[in-house]
Amino acid sequence: QVQLVQSGAEVKQPGASVKVSCTLSGYTLTELSMHWVRQAPGKGLEWVGGFDGEERETIYAQNFQGRVTMTEDTTRDTAYMELRSLRSEDTAIYYCVADMGIFYWGQGTLVTVSS
Amino acid sequence: DIVMTQSPDFLALSLGERATINCKSSQSVFYSSSGGNYLAWYQHKPGQTPTLLFYWASTRESGVPDRFSGSGSGTDFTLTISSLQAEDVAIYYCQQYFTTPWTFGQGTRVEI
Repeated sequence: QVQLVQSGAEVKQPGASVKVSCTLSGYTLTELSMHWVRQAPGKGLEWVGGFDGEERETIYAQNFQGRVTMTEDTTRDTAYMELRSLRSEDTAIYYCVADMGIFYWGQGTLVTVSS
Repeated sequence: DIVMTQSPDFLALSLGERATINCKSSQSVFYSSSGGNYLAWYQHKPGQTPTLLFYWASTRESGVPDRFSGSGSGTDFTLTISSLQAEDVAIYYCQQYFTTPWTFGQGTRVEI
């Protein structure tokens, strides 16, 4: 059974960076494509980026281009999402989502951006 | 980007009634070589992680009650709850994974 465990809540000041981790068990990172989705308070679900199996590369949503980097440590089966130049609008719950043709979600990481 | 549009935005029904949620994509999410529609449905309750209900438009995820059904192909999809229960109060989202960026519908809030 696939399990995704994310790092804990973060509080950051505007302009700072945050790095959220997502550790996989039950499978290895090489067996799936990892994506990240967020939900801001009172808003819907928004895709941040992920590995495109067709393009064989990580693709980022236009809204986050230049501010986000997604990486993987396959030795630890852990994926990371780093978001830089944080602003108040980035306050949201960030989820990692493993795409195996079926989708498994992490428990979410609340990132609060506030001065 | 593929735009996903759900209707209605809000649905208030009585216990036992049938709930129908529609989802329309701005272009087809059917991939002929695999014969599948790259469309998922989620249930999202406050404070919880979204729960996958269906993938490939109509393949029910393990543990999802059979009062839930998913149907449709191409650009038009439907999530049906045949007999609404109190625990079905949630926001429901459709999502296409035919291409990146993944895109979600705006959500349909279902209340009793």
